[in-house]
Amino acid sequence: QQPVQSPQAVILREGEDAVINCSSSKALYSVHWYRQKHGEAPVFLMILLKGGEQKGHEKISASFNEKKQQSSLYLTASQLSYSGTYFCGTGGLQGAQKLVFGQGTRLTINP
Amino acid sequence: EADIYQTPRYLVIGTGKKITLECSQTMGHDKMYWYQQDPGMELHLIHYSYGVNSTEKGDLSSESTVSRIRTEHFPLTLESARPSHTSQYLCASSVDEEGYTGELFFGEGSRLTVL
Repeated sequence: QQPVQSPQAVILREGEDAVINCSSSKALYSVHWYRQKHGEAPVFLMILLKGGEQKGHEKISASFNEKKQQSSLYLTASQLSYSGTYFCGTGGLQGAQKLVFGQGTRLTINP
Repeated sequence: EADIYQTPRYLVIGTGKKITLECSQTMGHDKMYWYQQDPGMELHLIHYSYGVNSTEKGDLSSESTVSRIRTEHFPLTLESARPSHTSQYLCASSVDEEGYTGELFFGEGSRLTVL
């Protein structure tokens, strides 16, 4: 089942903070976060695993609440380059071979 | 830089034509995927593969078919294209992690328009 992201869209001024949430109705083993700029392919940001392990390429923080089956992505002191659509992808138990993506959160950063 | 390539980037064809979208990766990844994405919308998994001679359908029903004869190559074929197939098709591959799907590397996509 598709995870649900909130909010659907956010407009910020440069330097402000944002939180993007991802919720699933199924037990989660892993949560991925990706950012996609207009006309480009999605780019990996972070993986969070059950048990607390995190793997990421950028200085973006995220949390994974296993009991609530939720993940949140924290964007602090936002920069213009943070603009884009953010997708969470969730993997369940038993190997999580199929990653199912949420509907996306569109983030706009204004100067 | 990820080494995953898709061709063609853009394709405009008429109804009823057969098309093949090519996807190749040079990272040696066993796992590969095809996602369908309409502009500004979510990514829908239509096909995936665990390795050579292994293919499975994704969550979104698709009339397309795939093959995996070589590790690096995962082409998608539409035998008879229709206007409803107009969309962007994204190919991806992932690192082989134990127990979970690793980081996805996406190609730049093939934007298909069927007239």
